[in-house]
Amino acid sequence: GQQVQQSPASLVLQEGENAELQCNFSTSLNSMQWFYQRPGGSLVSLFYNPSGTKHSGRLTSTTVIKERRSSLHISSSQTTDSGTYLCALGSNYNVLYFGSGTKLTVEP
Amino acid sequence: EAAVTQSPRNKVAVTGGKVTLSCNQTNNHNNMYWYRQDTGHGLRLIHYSYGAGSTEKGDIPDGYKASRPSQENFSLILELATPSQTSVYFCASGDAGEVFFGKGTRLTVV
Repeated sequence: GQQVQQSPASLVLQEGENAELQCNFSTSLNSMQWFYQRPGGSLVSLFYNPSGTKHSGRLTSTTVIKERRSSLHISSSQTTDSGTYLCALGSNYNVLYFGSGTKLTVEP
Repeated sequence: EAAVTQSPRNKVAVTGGKVTLSCNQTNNHNNMYWYRQDTGHGLRLIHYSYGAGSTEKGDIPDGYKASRPSQENFSLILELATPSQTSVYFCASGDAGEVFFGKGTRLTVV
């Protein structure tokens, strides 16, 4: 089946620091999507990024297909960025296969 | 933005009872999905559909049925609910691009 590995599993930052979250996959992809989730909350789509680099405010997503990896960069972190970040690999019919997530804690 | 609505948002069911989780999307997406999320397992695919009348098994279909009577609606059915099916269930829809998720249904089977 599809294999999606995320790292690190958890990360603690001081407010203002930057974060780099990684997602590696073992098969070819049709799409790559990044989500944000608060405890007990819904999945908020951050990026649909099957290739290249995309920006949204303090967030940047980069997907390099031939290296089978995608990254999410958070600059100048804020306490409100705390939560879990999930990457998902899209397959046939755009079925998403999820990594296990990175739990981010930003301390004031 | 795509709208995916799940109902109910919370449900307590008894063991052996029948449970139906409903999902509606208003964006005319062909594909719809049901996932469950559990601590330690992440999000796992139960069933998906690529159009009205179709249902396909995902990675963990045992104990679940699905129904896609129309483009907009996709239901997940637990004929005989068990405590191991206590979880948070997410419905989603999407086509060639971005996939959008509903807010989730918290199901507790007692």
